Amino acid sequence: NAGVTQTPKFQVLKTGQSMTLQCAQDMNHEYMSWYRQDPGMGLRLIHYSVGAGITDQGEVPNGYNVSRSTTEDFPLRLLSAAPSQTSVYFCASRGSDRRLQPQHFGDGTRLSIL
Amino acid sequence: SQQGEEDPQALSIQEGENATMNCSYKTSINNLQWYRQNSGRGLVHLILIRSNEREKHSGRLRVTLDTSKKSSSLLITASRAADTASYFCATDGTGANNLFFGTGTRLTVIP
Repeated sequence: NAGVTQTPKFQVLKTGQSMTLQCAQDMNHEYMSWYRQDPGMGLRLIHYSVGAGITDQGEVPNGYNVSRSTTEDFPLRLLSAAPSQTSVYFCASRGSDRRLQPQHFGDGTRLSIL
Repeated sequence: SQQGEEDPQALSIQEGENATMNCSYKTSINNLQWYRQNSGRGLVHLILIRSNEREKHSGRLRVTLDTSKKSSSLLITASRAADTASYFCATDGTGANNLFFGTGTRLTVIP
């Protein structure tokens, strides 16, 4: 059981480049989300989705786009990379009952913007 | 920000000792969750405690929740070197449909 799979694990970009961080889960979870983790800041929510075709903004959405065409996949797009987006990005998923079900995290994508 | 805060920020103990970490939060919650993160890895869920529960156990882990004080604690008994990691609390608020994470406690268990 793979759980939540993120690719790539590492990426270096130049300012202004665009890229897509991939996230896939095989647990048939409706809820998926993207976080970024910066030193001393904990995890901050970027975007989330409660099901295919439905997305919403989190705490820090600027500079990122998401889409949810299938239950399994939830890619995160950086439109024009900026050094402030250097961070570790985590994708997570959980089942439909938020009162009882924890989130399952991928191992992260470490992104550096030069 | 609705983030919780863990206390202490860092904790260093000898193997076999108990480790206690505290979490304070600001909003009404459905549940509070504790996660562990090993260096360079993703977060792993440890325990979920619902707002109507006061204490929960899982192996060597004990979590308490005091909703009147908006606080929780995580106790790890008989610590092991393998418990060395960062520990985060996260609150599932009654409002927004997502988790709010604290800044974490870095635990070091010395063999």
